[in-house]
Amino acid sequence: LAKTTQPISMDSYEGQEVNITCSHNNIATNDYITWYQQFPSQGPRFIIQGYKTKVTNEVASLFIPADRKSSTLSLPRVSLSDTAVYYCLVGPYNTDKLIFGTGTRLQVFP
Amino acid sequence: DAGVTQSPTHLIKTRGQQVTLRCSPKSGHDTVSWYQQALGQGPQFIFQYYEEEERQRGNFPDRFSGHQFPNYSSELNVNALLLGDSALYLCASSLLTDPRAGDEQFFGPGTRLTVL
Repeated sequence: LAKTTQPISMDSYEGQEVNITCSHNNIATNDYITWYQQFPSQGPRFIIQGYKTKVTNEVASLFIPADRKSSTLSLPRVSLSDTAVYYCLVGPYNTDKLIFGTGTRLQVFP
Repeated sequence: DAGVTQSPTHLIKTRGQQVTLRCSPKSGHDTVSWYQQALGQGPQFIFQYYEEEERQRGNFPDRFSGHQFPNYSSELNVNALLLGDSALYLCASSLLTDPRAGDEQFFGPGTRLTVL
């Protein structure tokens, strides 16, 4: 299973764009990249999933270069409520089990 | 539309005891997965239930067992509790047969188990 590496923590200010990069050097051909968000004392929440190039939804964008060895989650104009832990996951589409790492703790300041 | 619900919210047990945690999946979902999340760590997959059977299992001992009922709700049982079992236990639901679901699972708020 492909392992992922993310920064342990990041700080930002309200209104800024935040980019969190995840490394997954040994990603397999059939692996997808998925991001989850987790607030304190809550379960994780799905943000976005992609295979290649760029995926965008109402919450975030996911950028995946051609070699797929890394990916970047982009959060436009963050607010205080975006303070959370963000997990990058790599695995087959519609997998039975999600493999979480330790995530990136994002702190947004006013 | 109710999301995933779990009970109880918090639980305190002593070593050697047994515990049962409960989960009701999101309406319309047929698959329930259980995860253990230690403090400061990401969730770790325990097992998944579909059609009342264990479909896949993570690297957890046999002390961890589960059950799924005909209404798709599920229980997680842990026997002979150890101090290291203290964690947040998360339940997630999904619809196995939906090809559009991808890797989107809906998580409940979790049950915080403390073993003394």
